[in-house]
Amino acid sequence: KAGVTQTPRYLIKTRGQQVTLSCSPISGHRSVSWYQQTPGQGLQFLFEYFSETQRNKGNFPGRFSGRQFSNSRSEMNVSTLELGDSALYLCASSLTENYGYTFGSGTRLTVV
Amino acid sequence: QKEVEQNSGPLSVPEGAIASLNCTYSDRGSQSFFWYRQYSGKSPELIMSIYSNGDKEDGRFTAQLNKASQYVSLLIRDSQPSDSATYLCAVKPGNNRKLIWGLGTSLAVNP
Repeated sequence: KAGVTQTPRYLIKTRGQQVTLSCSPISGHRSVSWYQQTPGQGLQFLFEYFSETQRNKGNFPGRFSGRQFSNSRSEMNVSTLELGDSALYLCASSLTENYGYTFGSGTRLTVV
Repeated sequence: QKEVEQNSGPLSVPEGAIASLNCTYSDRGSQSFFWYRQYSGKSPELIMSIYSNGDKEDGRFTAQLNKASQYVSLLIRDSQPSDSATYLCAVKPGNNRKLIWGLGTSLAVNP
């Protein structure tokens, strides 16, 4: 059974650019969440989607957006990148909201 | 008061000992509780989930939930150096609410 797939694994972008990260959940999982993780920080919640609907949103500026498609695949977009956006972005999927999440390997974004 | 609290550690135990990790939460209506393990540079990995009061055992791991006292713990028996990692507690307050994470406890198992 394939796990959660995140692409790309690594990304280097310049300040002011935008970036789109992709997440393919485990087959059959309808809930997808996104997190940002930086050294010394805990997991910072970005979004949660269930059946194409955004169920919850974290305290991030409007430059961070996301969506989920009918096949449960999800994307997140960050516009006007800042140096502080450099982080590991993790996607996690779950069968439903009350089950534990399975995380992908993450996308490591570096903004220079 | 933080919604989910864990001691940051590091918690250091000798190989073969029992490691005890604790987590408290503030929302009495919380329904689902999870323990994740995260190795340095890797993604979190779900190791235990528990939904009702009492103990739940899986191999060397035991999760304990006490809703009245609002805490959940993880015991690791016969600790191995490979158990050295950060352990994250996560709590689901209720339907349609986001998962709340603790900051994690760093565990070091010394050979």
